[in-house]
Amino acid sequence: GAGVSQSPRYKVAKRGQDVALRCDPISGHVSLFWYQQALGQGPEFLTYFQNEAQLDKSGLPSDRFFAERPEGSVSTLKIQRTQQEDSAVYLCASSIDGKITAFFGQGTRLTVV
Amino acid sequence: DQQVKQNSPSLSVQEGRISILNCDYTNSMFDYFLWYKKYPAEGPTFLISISSIKDKNEDGRFTVFLNKSAKHLSLHIVPSQPGDSAVYFCAARQNSGGSNYKLTFGKGTLLTVNP
Repeated sequence: GAGVSQSPRYKVAKRGQDVALRCDPISGHVSLFWYQQALGQGPEFLTYFQNEAQLDKSGLPSDRFFAERPEGSVSTLKIQRTQQEDSAVYLCASSIDGKITAFFGQGTRLTVV
Repeated sequence: DQQVKQNSPSLSVQEGRISILNCDYTNSMFDYFLWYKKYPAEGPTFLISISSIKDKNEDGRFTVFLNKSAKHLSLHIVPSQPGDSAVYFCAARQNSGGSNYKLTFGKGTLLTVNP
């Protein structure tokens, strides 16, 4: 597609439920990023992939968060046993190269109730 | 510890006038700066960037100024248009070292341009 596509756009989860958020990057983009944006805050880095390799996961807030990009294209961010503090917009971005300006998707708004 | 600070949560400007959005940073290792614009229910869209080797970069109505000694940058929009109403995020990156892909964002400034 023309841009970064994320699904679902909105997700409501009951506390303790597992969720999976999907990101389709721009075709041919090697680098893929996940960011978390809490209400009233700027996006915060979660993790970075170069092709299928997860080169940096230093921003993942806990071991309940897991990201993968098995074929170097689509990526999934999984959150296990969701907590209320996980409520945020999860943004995916991709770029041709990690150093080049990244293009963001529309985000997935996760609400944990 | 906020390494990128946008101290004005909101700014209101009349159409046709200049909008000035400010950003301060504390990490002296940052050497590349970007501004993103975000409309409601959309992801951030890249607007303009500047490398630390420059003090000004201009693109149409948008100009970014960088004052390295003060660790301050600003985005000027002239003339402002109602369609510019959005949240503007300042972001910074270390262009060297192992984490030169990672963006650090400010909290954003909501710009409202009144007709």
